[in-house]
Amino acid sequence: QKEVEQDPGPLSVPEGAIVSLNCTYSNSAFQYFMWYRQYSRKGPELLMYTYSSGNKEDGRFTAQVDKSSKYISLFIRDSQPSDSATYLCAMSVANYGGSQGNLIFGKGTKLSVKP
Amino acid sequence: SQTIHQWPATLVQPVGSPLSLECTVEGTSNPNLYWYRQAAGRGLQLLFYSVGIGQISSEVPQNLSASRPQDRQFILSSKKLLLSDSGFYLCAWSVQATDTQYFGPGTRLTVL
Repeated sequence: QKEVEQDPGPLSVPEGAIVSLNCTYSNSAFQYFMWYRQYSRKGPELLMYTYSSGNKEDGRFTAQVDKSSKYISLFIRDSQPSDSATYLCAMSVANYGGSQGNLIFGKGTKLSVKP
Repeated sequence: SQTIHQWPATLVQPVGSPLSLECTVEGTSNPNLYWYRQAAGRGLQLLFYSVGIGQISSEVPQNLSASRPQDRQFILSSKKLLLSDSGFYLCAWSVQATDTQYFGPGTRLTVL
């Protein structure tokens, strides 16, 4: 079983739809959870960052972590064509004291929002 | 604010030629630095990371090497490129003792 699983899609939705993107993981030690957005031929940009369980909201984006189920989600409300990108989840264990803090990435879900 | 630069943006090289990709970070000191390769359909593959000048850790065996000659400079090199080295190379940085990574714009390498 891979450490992080993410449905690659592609996912196509009409403008204005609610989008749900998900990742599952196997390592119960993961504490930090991130979502990155990557436009075509660009570097990934950090979209959301959460620690441990719970929800975090930022504008149209909501990140949700369910550690009991080892499942994280990103919801996009009122999706726009500009949201068309690949979304990567990432997670790591708590690493302090100068360690490298390596992230484990999902392979990404390609989202297309049609006008 | 912090910024990360990579160059060149695109590169086409023949098989067997050398490679040098450069990454620099501004606005922070003593960052953790990372090199990733992203191939189509294969996700992000961590190649090297560095926690300080001259300190390089390799994640996968390959014909690539990395160096960190200055605090905010990270270089990815190869003496002889292979066809399989083609891909999108990304540099990233993070603050010590935190795990969020910030990525550069990437270099698209095509080996012919």
